[in-house]
Amino acid sequence: DTGVSQDPRHKITKRGQNVTFRCDPISEHNRLYWYRQTLGQGPEFLTYFQNEAQLEKSRLLSDRFSAERPKGSFSTLEIQRTEQGDSAMYLCASSLVVSIGEQYFGPGTRLTVT
Amino acid sequence: EDQVTQSPEALRLQEGESSSLNCSYTVSGLRGLFWYRQDPGKGPEFLFTLYSAGEEKEKERLKATLTKKESFLHITAPKPEDSATYLCAVQAGEYGNKLVFGAGTILRVKS
Repeated sequence: DTGVSQDPRHKITKRGQNVTFRCDPISEHNRLYWYRQTLGQGPEFLTYFQNEAQLEKSRLLSDRFSAERPKGSFSTLEIQRTEQGDSAMYLCASSLVVSIGEQYFGPGTRLTVT
Repeated sequence: EDQVTQSPEALRLQEGESSSLNCSYTVSGLRGLFWYRQDPGKGPEFLFTLYSAGEEKEKERLKATLTKKESFLHITAPKPEDSATYLCAVQAGEYGNKLVFGAGTILRVKS
């Protein structure tokens, strides 16, 4: 297995546009997480899936954000009507249920909203 | 609310100069504390898991320890390749299903 992959690696968009990111986790991992990271800060939890079920979302997550994990495999994170404050690194991670703290992160998607 | 504070924000060491990074946490019932390493432009890489006070884990030049209020990452005789941001996280949330990260310590080791 080559680890967690994310696509695209970089995305530049204009304010008000919609963007979608993709994450492919490690195949045997049933947990998938999305985080947002800004400069000088640690990753901030957004949401997580166990298999295809989205089980928790951050209270800070705007309604403009939606995530899916069809068939419990890859996941997508969509941001609608992007704002400049959405500019950040979006990280995906996966893990086994029995080792939640041992998460394997992808390289991230850097979003710049102009 | 679960919280993690790391210090110092940045640390510069000479090659071979040992030091420690601190992670203090506030959590209702610690279920796990984790250390990660993050290189520029990359996602964090898992290093250690600690579950109970007194526990220690080692990997090469790194040793992580845990008390009831804080964790330390000791770096012995560091090399330039140890330069990275070191992140501490705790298992958090009502059911312990998410991680809360600190802001990290940026370590620079000069040869």
